[in-house]
Amino acid sequence: DAKTTQPTSMDCAEGRAANLPCNHSTISGNEYVYWYRQIHSQGPQYIIHGLKNNETNEMASLIITEDRKSSTLILPHATLRDTAVYYCIVRVALSRYGGSQGNLIFGKGTKLSVKP
Amino acid sequence: EAGVVQSPRYKIIEKKQPVAFWCNPISGHNTLYWYLQNLGQGPELLIRYENEEAVDDSQLPKDRFSAERLKGVDSTLKIQPAELGDSAVYLCASSLPRAGVGTGELFFGEGSRLTVL
Repeated sequence: DAKTTQPTSMDCAEGRAANLPCNHSTISGNEYVYWYRQIHSQGPQYIIHGLKNNETNEMASLIITEDRKSSTLILPHATLRDTAVYYCIVRVALSRYGGSQGNLIFGKGTKLSVKP
Repeated sequence: EAGVVQSPRYKIIEKKQPVAFWCNPISGHNTLYWYLQNLGQGPELLIRYENEEAVDDSQLPKDRFSAERLKGVDSTLKIQPAELGDSAVYLCASSLPRAGVGTGELFFGEGSRLTVL
């Protein structure tokens, strides 16, 4: 079973910020938070990931709470092309000391609809 | 750079027939995954390869599903015989694990949509 809980669906007005929440209360110390999205009829696409610090890239920002039990993906200026299913996933990442990388286990995600 | 290539894009077969899907990962990616995605659900991992070795096939229904990755590059996923419940999208992904923190992004293909009649 997926280790995360997300709302089933959300709406957002075009041009506004989309804030997608995710609960991962059982996250382990060596697990990262990953976000992927899946546009209709395409494969999932990587967005961003983080451990405990907030992260930002050209696509989105990731805010992780101090206790790491929840996070929020922020799309600062949503467009119609951001309409997709967004998956929040916790995953063991590779350590520089070796070991194996955890598998990417998807839940049902949040269906984000950006409306004009 | 070419992404993950899958074929066929669509396949319609009758139940009890065999079917095969092919995946060509991104050049240099030594980790390859096959996922199954049912309508309205998230992708479910079937098998994971590190080079030519299947390191996790615990979710692969071995009575009818098989996979291979000869030479550690291309991979095929086969179903024989297909059942009605196998209708789904079969996704292939690849990644290039690098030692370090927070790496191993997966790149997905567009998937192969199977319809079993």
